[in-house]
Amino acid sequence: QQQVKQSPQSLIVQKGGISIINCAYENTAFDYFPWYQQFPGKGPALLIAIRPDVSEKKEGRFTISFNKSAKQFSLHIMDSQPGDSATYFCAASRNRDDKIIFGKGTRLHILP
Amino acid sequence: EAGVAQSPRYKIIEKRQSVAFWCNPISGHATLYWYQQILGQGPKLLIQFQNNGVVDDSQLPKDRFSAERLKGVDSTLKIQPAKLEDSAVYLCASSFALGETQYFGPGTRLLVL
Repeated sequence: QQQVKQSPQSLIVQKGGISIINCAYENTAFDYFPWYQQFPGKGPALLIAIRPDVSEKKEGRFTISFNKSAKQFSLHIMDSQPGDSATYFCAASRNRDDKIIFGKGTRLHILP
Repeated sequence: EAGVAQSPRYKIIEKRQSVAFWCNPISGHATLYWYQQILGQGPKLLIQFQNNGVVDDSQLPKDRFSAERLKGVDSTLKIQPAKLEDSAVYLCASSFALGETQYFGPGTRLLVL
């Protein structure tokens, strides 16, 4: 059973556009939702994270939107740049100490 | 600050052979994690150490996988015997403490033929 469902599988966006990646979860015990960025040949790196007590968190061009009632959260990348081309993973855990459950990833390509 | 180091970077073996991966975490990081990342999927936690003790190994296939972190620093992950479905990238990560940000190494890409 996949606990974190991520879509789309791949995404192509024009430079300067907005990239949107969506995730849904089932376990209401999850209370920590990080996003990771992975470049080819590298390990994932934490990008931004949110807890369900807030509906939005913004760091630079990256924003997480969180809808607790719908059990959904999304990553928005504003003014997308070719350097943002990577695979993005949403994830969830029951608390920061618990193991992290990753989605299947979204391969993002920004056209120059 | 040096990142998480892993070796080898690539390994090709035949099924039923054994293989070992090595990880050197960031200096001072007490928590160490091994993940398996199958192509097209997100990383899956195999085992988590706090210093040299195991915190969580619930998803480690213990009939063929083993891991150790004897002195609370470096760690090795072993597969014996390997199966075709073990082909994946094996990622090591470390964090200063439990629940803190995990920093990932570049991974070891394993191909089992």
